[in-house]
Formats: sequence, structure tokens, C-alpha cells
Amino acid sequence: EPEVTQTPSHQVTQMGQEVILRCVPISNHLYFYWYRQILGQKVEFLVSFYNNEISEKSEIFDDQFSVERPDGSNFTLKIRSTKLEDSAMYFCASSFPRGAGTDTQYFGPGTRLTVL
Amino acid sequence: AQKVTQAQTEISVVEKEDVTLDCVYETRDTTYYLFWYKQPPSGELVFLIRRNSFDEQNEISGRYSWNFQKSTSSFNFTITASQVVDSAVYFCALSEAGGNNNDMRFGAGTRLTVKP
Repeated sequence: EPEVTQTPSHQVTQMGQEVILRCVPISNHLYFYWYRQILGQKVEFLVSFYNNEISEKSEIFDDQFSVERPDGSNFTLKIRSTKLEDSAMYFCASSFPRGAGTDTQYFGPGTRLTVL
Repeated sequence: AQKVTQAQTEISVVEKEDVTLDCVYETRDTTYYLFWYKQPPSGELVFLIRRNSFDEQNEISGRYSWNFQKSTSSFNFTITASQVVDSAVYFCALSEAGGNNNDMRFGAGTRLTVKP
């Protein structure tokens, strides 16, 4: 069964450093998402991406964040200058566009980001 | 704005007991989608069910059942004859159909512990 994959599973970085989290969505999906979950808290929406541009973003997704689909398979989340409060689990998800039969979002296993 | 409330922070039951996890939502859209995800201790988010606002039919899948009631804006989840492997955090989520928005808003989650 196709699945969303994410690398790395755990990333440790120093405050102020740039990190790139990588995701490979399900191959025939067209919508891509990033969510984050601070330890012990709820899952929060960051950004959705469709047709090579941001579809929607939350207030969390400030100028420190960017997303990119550099090729036909990867979808990346970049944090330019990490802060301690960026420490969280970051989930990638993908789905079909609404109206194509289903828009269920399937999640990857997550990348745990630890900022020291 | 969409909002999901899971009032039960933690529930503890003994194996074989039935347990119901509550979810109440708020939305201005007439078309929307409701989801339940399971997050086991390993951390991934496992899709359980998707329900659209036009389909109030309750659903049963093995030991799992869902009760969707638009009149009370609730989408409750019942596990029958619970097992230790059901121990996880369960998230209810809402996605509105308006515009291009595909983001999901999650509730705070309910941590279910099933004791042997």
C-alpha cells in the first residue's frame, strides 16, 4: 500500500541553524501539507501546497518557514533560523484534490526536530 | 472559523470495556469533512475514518463505530470490547470545503489507556 515517507526520522540542530525536512508524498496525490505537533499537544496545520504554490498557511507559518517541491517526488519544509520553540514533531501529509473522490489526508511517520 | 473540541483529555478503561470518545465541532460551512486519527505510542498518525457532512449514516468497522449527529455537531467514536492495543491518543479533525482550503483542524486529542 502506498505511503507517505519522511526523512530524517529525527533531526537535532543548534538554535539559529537552517533545517530542511523532507517528505515523499503518495505518488498520485496532488495536495501536500505540513503539520507540527509540539510534544504532548495537538496537531497544528502549517501549510498546504497545490499546483506548485502555497494554497493556505496558518499563522504559525511565518517568514522563517518555506516549502518547496524541488522535483516530481519530494516536498520539503525549510526552517531558516531555528528557535527553541520549533522543537516538535513535523508531519507531512498528502491527498487528492477535493472532488476527486476523496480528500483524506494520509500522514507520514513524522520527523522529530530537536533544537538545542 | 473551524474548531474541534475533545473535552476528554484522558480516559482509562479496563480491557473489554466499551469506551466512547467525544468530539464536538464548529463550522460555518454547510459542506465539511470529519476525521478520526489514531496516534499510537510510536507517534505516527493513522487514519481511521472520514465522514462528509451530507452523510449522517453511522458507521461500524469491526470493534469501532462512529456516531455522527449534525443536530448536536458531534462525531463520537466508540470502541467496543477495548484491547490493550487500542491504547493511543485519538484525534478528531475537521476540514471545511469552502474555497481551496484543505487544511485540517485537529482537536486536542484524547489519550486512551486500556489496562489488562
